[in-house]
Amino acid sequence: ILNVEQSPQSLHVQEGDSTNFTCSFPSSNFYALHWYRWETAKSPEALFVMTLNGDEKKKGRISATLNTKEGYSYLYIKGSQPEDSATYLCAFDNQGGKLIFGQGTELSVKP
Amino acid sequence: DTEVTQTPKHLVMGMTNKKSLKCEQHMGHRAMYWYKQKAKKPPELMFVYSYEKLSINESVPSRFSPECPNSSLLNLHLHALQPEDSALYLCASSHRLAGGKHEQYFGPGTRLTVT
Repeated sequence: ILNVEQSPQSLHVQEGDSTNFTCSFPSSNFYALHWYRWETAKSPEALFVMTLNGDEKKKGRISATLNTKEGYSYLYIKGSQPEDSATYLCAFDNQGGKLIFGQGTELSVKP
Repeated sequence: DTEVTQTPKHLVMGMTNKKSLKCEQHMGHRAMYWYKQKAKKPPELMFVYSYEKLSINESVPSRFSPECPNSSLLNLHLHALQPEDSALYLCASSHRLAGGKHEQYFGPGTRLTVT
């Protein structure tokens, strides 16, 4: 059974704080690592697809890094805003298109 | 148009009913997916279609029957479901299956309750 672990499970921060969370995945047979943001009552939205060890990707205030040798990825949010409140999911692919999701990190940003 | 639409948004059905969930995308994507998500759990893959052919079936019970009538549509036919099948059913699509290297676009889901 392949395990994708995310930590922490939930996070409460103040507006303006920077924060980061972790996704751990098996380090063998790596194809890709996905990050999604899922706001309540909306569709999950793709943030990044990362495929190469050492990849760093950025979208506005959100960035992500990837270490495939040790099996982890970090997601960083700089200067959190209330609209960043959502569940952040990572998903691991080791079989060519079959995503295995972590349980997510639920982020709440208070004004 | 980068939207995946799903209908209905909510569905309540009895254990003897037959119903269908529908999913549509007009992005020219050739891979389409069904996921099941129970409360406080991650989405779990059920089926993957690639170029309108079933590519992955995650040992899903036969009371769930997927269908891909064309490249834009994906259906999930439901028959004789159990209360434990109550969940959020998410549809997604991606450009191609290609090693999971293409982001998936998700619909908002159908909230299914089986009574």
